[in-house]
Amino acid sequence: AQSVTQLDSQVPVFEEAPVELRCNYSSSVSVYLFWYVQYPNQGLQLLLKYLSGSTLVKGINGFEAEFNKSQTSFHLRKPSVHISDTAEYFCAVSDQAGTALIFGKGTTLSVSS
Amino acid sequence: GAVVSQHPSWVICKSGTSVKIECRSLDFQATTMFWYRQFPKQSLMLMATSNEGSKATYEQGVEKDKFLINHASLTLSTLTVTSAHPEDSSFYICSARDTVRGAITEAFFGQGTRLTVV
Repeated sequence: AQSVTQLDSQVPVFEEAPVELRCNYSSSVSVYLFWYVQYPNQGLQLLLKYLSGSTLVKGINGFEAEFNKSQTSFHLRKPSVHISDTAEYFCAVSDQAGTALIFGKGTTLSVSS
Repeated sequence: GAVVSQHPSWVICKSGTSVKIECRSLDFQATTMFWYRQFPKQSLMLMATSNEGSKATYEQGVEKDKFLINHASLTLSTLTVTSAHPEDSSFYICSARDTVRGAITEAFFGQGTRLTVV
């Protein structure tokens, strides 16, 4: 069975500082990994995805993530955050093209000035 | 990107009544849609997988008679919360993946429905 662990429930940072949101997964087969962002009372927006190929994935809004198979990790990074990046971030995994995504518990990123 | 439209965005209903939530894929066909439930400050919990033209597959612990799912076409799935109670109050989100293309894609999410049962 698949599972996702987001190691930090809350990450407070100052504006323009770098940030890393950690995600580890477990799966017995090939995995497809995703990071989504959720603003209050809204649905989820895809930040980036790893399906295959290059392990460094670049997404929207300056975010990137690196797939590390040996460490079963898919950490999300941004070199310089903005106030507007304050939101809930979810890491998700699926093992096949048409199956449901399994989500981590989420990380609240709070950016202050 | 692909769009999934969910309606209504919020609803308040009286205890004991039923509420229907619609989820539509606007520019792609989805043989499979997914329904999630999200409690405040928590993650998305998969409730069921909705299959076009057949019965939904429910996750363990989800009451199929309470959360009725219908997937009548390739672009529409509905979730009906029957005989709603205050403990059913939550944020419900639908999701769909473009399965017709056959490629591996991300899941597209609706805007969510905030259900409050009073």
